[in-house]
Amino acid sequence: EAGVVQSPRYKIIEKKQPVAFWCNPISGHNTLYWYRQNLGQGPELLIRYENEEAVDDSQLPKDRFSAERLKGVDSTLKIQPAELGDSAVYLCASSSGQGAGGTQYFGPGTRLLVL
Amino acid sequence: QKEVEQNSGPLSVPEGAIASLNCTYSDRGSQSFFWYRQYSGKSPELIMFIYSNGDKEDGRFTAQLNKASQYVSLLIRDSQPSDSATYLCAVTGYSSASKIIFGSGTRLSIRP
Repeated sequence: EAGVVQSPRYKIIEKKQPVAFWCNPISGHNTLYWYRQNLGQGPELLIRYENEEAVDDSQLPKDRFSAERLKGVDSTLKIQPAELGDSAVYLCASSSGQGAGGTQYFGPGTRLLVL
Repeated sequence: QKEVEQNSGPLSVPEGAIASLNCTYSDRGSQSFFWYRQYSGKSPELIMFIYSNGDKEDGRFTAQLNKASQYVSLLIRDSQPSDSATYLCAVTGYSSASKIIFGSGTRLSIRP
């Protein structure tokens, strides 16, 4: 069974540029998570979807970040415009069932460097 | 006070010994507790989860949960160099509205 797929794996952009990350969860997993992980820190939840619905986006900086999960499968996370402080690893994870209590399977992450 | 706290380490343990990793949490309503292992440059992978007070064993790993004291721990027996990694504690509730909170992780180093 294929795991969580993310692309791109690495991205270098200049500040004020837009950037987008894509995630394909494990087949059949209805819950999808986007996290940001800074060096030496644990993952910080940005948004959690259950199917197409964003059930927790309280930590998403909505002035510059947006996300969508059309048809309840793939998801895209966008930053526009990017700032220096957005440099981090962006992780996508998925789980089966409802709520945040399921076992999460993480993708390899996208390393973003904003210059 | 952080919602989920872990000692950042590094925790250095000799090969073959028991490594003990601790995590405390602030939300008394928390119901689900997870330990993830993260190798440098890799993404987290689940080691164990525990929902009920007491111990849960899986091979060389034992998770211990004490809801009254609001802590969860992970014991690694017969530590191997391959166990050297950062261990993340994650805490959440059962309901759909529950948030999942990760600790900052404890860096474990197993010395040969």
